[in-house]
Amino acid sequence: DAGITQSPRYKITETGRQVTLMCHQTWSHSYMFWYRQDLGHGLRLIYYSAAADITDKGEVPDGYVVSRSKTENFPLTLESATRSQTSVYFCASSDTASGTRAYNEQFFGPGTRLTVL
Amino acid sequence: GDSVTQMEGPVTLSEEAFLTINCTYTATGYPSLFWYVQYPGEGLQLLLKATKADDKGSNKGFEATYRKETTSFHLEKGSVQVSDSAVYFCAWISYDKVIFGPGTSLSVIP
Repeated sequence: DAGITQSPRYKITETGRQVTLMCHQTWSHSYMFWYRQDLGHGLRLIYYSAAADITDKGEVPDGYVVSRSKTENFPLTLESATRSQTSVYFCASSDTASGTRAYNEQFFGPGTRLTVL
Repeated sequence: GDSVTQMEGPVTLSEEAFLTINCTYTATGYPSLFWYVQYPGEGLQLLLKATKADDKGSNKGFEATYRKETTSFHLEKGSVQVSDSAVYFCAWISYDKVIFGPGTSLSVIP
């Protein structure tokens, strides 16, 4: 399917376990982003990537790891999950076809609801 | 620090009422400004955007003007519908920074 997809949509795990959230986009967008959404905080940027093999920290990167070996995939890994990482996670992508502006419209995936017990 | 502030919600309006959701920012730079909408159980969708000062974004009856002098990007709609019930996010995005506001929940009652 075209667009941006996330898997799984729902995940329950236990404290200390490793969890990987997947994100896949079919547009060949250069930029990809990971956010978490929590009540009272809105969306907070975890990591972003400007291209394959280029990643950078956002506002709340601690406890998360990302990689981007292929343009279309941007997995987010919680190496040792904690209860404070219970959240809804959104992946997004954006195009830079209009030049160097990374701030074109971001297209969001449907989200992954993660619960850490 | 850099931030985007939105009016507190939830906001409850009757159908056909006028809507204003305030958004102000403190970040510096040369951003584009966005309004995103999130319907229950879904991801965010772009509602409108403005890429430079004095630009007006509009879509589906919603409007917002990028006011650099007041660092604001208030969202307005002249007549809301029940289908507009959702959470609205203001976003400030530059080449190296992304800041979303906390979101404002809107409920429109018949």
